[in-house]
Amino acid sequence: GENVEQHPSTLSVQEGDSAVIKCTYSDSASNYFPWYKQELGKGPQLIIDIRSNVGEKKDQRIAVTLNKTAKHFSLHITETQPEDSAVYFCAATSYNNNDMRFGAGTRLTVKP
Amino acid sequence: DTEVTQTPKHLVMGMTNKKSLKCEQHMGHRAMYWYKQKAKKPPELMFVYSYEKLSINESVPSRFSPECPNSSLLNLHLHALQPEDSALYLCASSQEDRYYEQYFGPGTRLTVT
Repeated sequence: GENVEQHPSTLSVQEGDSAVIKCTYSDSASNYFPWYKQELGKGPQLIIDIRSNVGEKKDQRIAVTLNKTAKHFSLHITETQPEDSAVYFCAATSYNNNDMRFGAGTRLTVKP
Repeated sequence: DTEVTQTPKHLVMGMTNKKSLKCEQHMGHRAMYWYKQKAKKPPELMFVYSYEKLSINESVPSRFSPECPNSSLLNLHLHALQPEDSALYLCASSQEDRYYEQYFGPGTRLTVT
């Protein structure tokens, strides 16, 4: 089965700096890689995703990159704001699989 | 409407109690999921329903009993739980041909005393 590893477990940055979270996966059949943001007391919210036929995707201050050969993908947040503080989870699955595997999570703190 | 709702928000129950968690979505999704999330851990899949039929049971103990009365509703019946079952229980839904795009509810914070 799929195994997803995520680093770092905690990340603290100054407001305005960039933050990078990295994940690796084990199953070469995985072809969909979502990122979720979970704020305190709330459920995970899908913020961006990337598919295996794409190397990079950007949405305003958030970007994701995927290296299929190396089986790793990353989340990049630029110009961080205090409201970006949350736990971020990466995940990996395939289109025909309804069993999604999550990374362990990264607690991001953006200091004003 | 892109929302998944869950009730109650918080639940405290004794080990001999019977209670139910409820989940509802009106996005027309035909796949619904229950996850369990312990503190500082990622969500763990418990059950998947597809077209109101149970398609995945991740070896969950029988003290958790899921039910999908219709395509918009998902219940999780709880009986004889243990303190270690205390966790955040998350419901999610997705289109049946896009299992990978799951939308989560806010969760029910369950405490078993």
